[in-house]
Amino acid sequence: SQTIHQWPATLVQPVGSPLSLECTVEGTSNPNLYWYRQAAGRGLQLLFYSVGIGQISSEVPQNLSASRPQDRQFILSSKKLLLSDSGFYLCAWSVQRNTEAFFGQGTRLTVV
Amino acid sequence: KNQVEQSPQSLIILEGKNCTLQCNYTVSPFSNLRWYKQDTGRGPVSLTIMTFSENTKSNGRYTATLDADTKQSSLHITASQLSDSASYICVVSAEQAGTALIFGKGTTLSVSS
Repeated sequence: SQTIHQWPATLVQPVGSPLSLECTVEGTSNPNLYWYRQAAGRGLQLLFYSVGIGQISSEVPQNLSASRPQDRQFILSSKKLLLSDSGFYLCAWSVQRNTEAFFGQGTRLTVV
Repeated sequence: KNQVEQSPQSLIILEGKNCTLQCNYTVSPFSNLRWYKQDTGRGPVSLTIMTFSENTKSNGRYTATLDADTKQSSLHITASQLSDSASYICVVSAEQAGTALIFGKGTTLSVSS
């Protein structure tokens, strides 16, 4: 069966520090991968998606970047965090673009 | 513009009661619609998925309906339990470039004893 792992679960980082959140998927090949952010009281906002290794598309301009060094690994990064980067970050995967998305457990990021 | 609107924003009901959550969308061309349940601090989990030709789909005490003509969907929860307290998110998939998943902001349901 397929599983998705996302870590860490919570993270407190000072402003200006770097960020690296990692997401891995098991049990499937060539998944579509996604990074979402969910701010308090708001819906899920798509940040990045990837249809293959090294293929990253960004949905919104921001202080973050994403990379896909391996087929089932998706990394969300920042060189210097801003206070506005605080939020709940979710990694997800799907078989195809319009099929069901399976979410990780999320990372609660607080930038102080 | 593709949008998904959910109502109410929040809802409080007593344990054992039924409730209905609404989802209106302006997504074209429509592919499918999903309802997700998101517990606090956790990732969303899919409850149901419906395509254009499906009107009703059930998953235990959850029943989703879809009216593709009026572009409306509802999620009915029967005999609510405390564990139903969560955010319920309507997600519509569009046939277009990119990820094609449009998320509603969710309805926060609180079930009290």
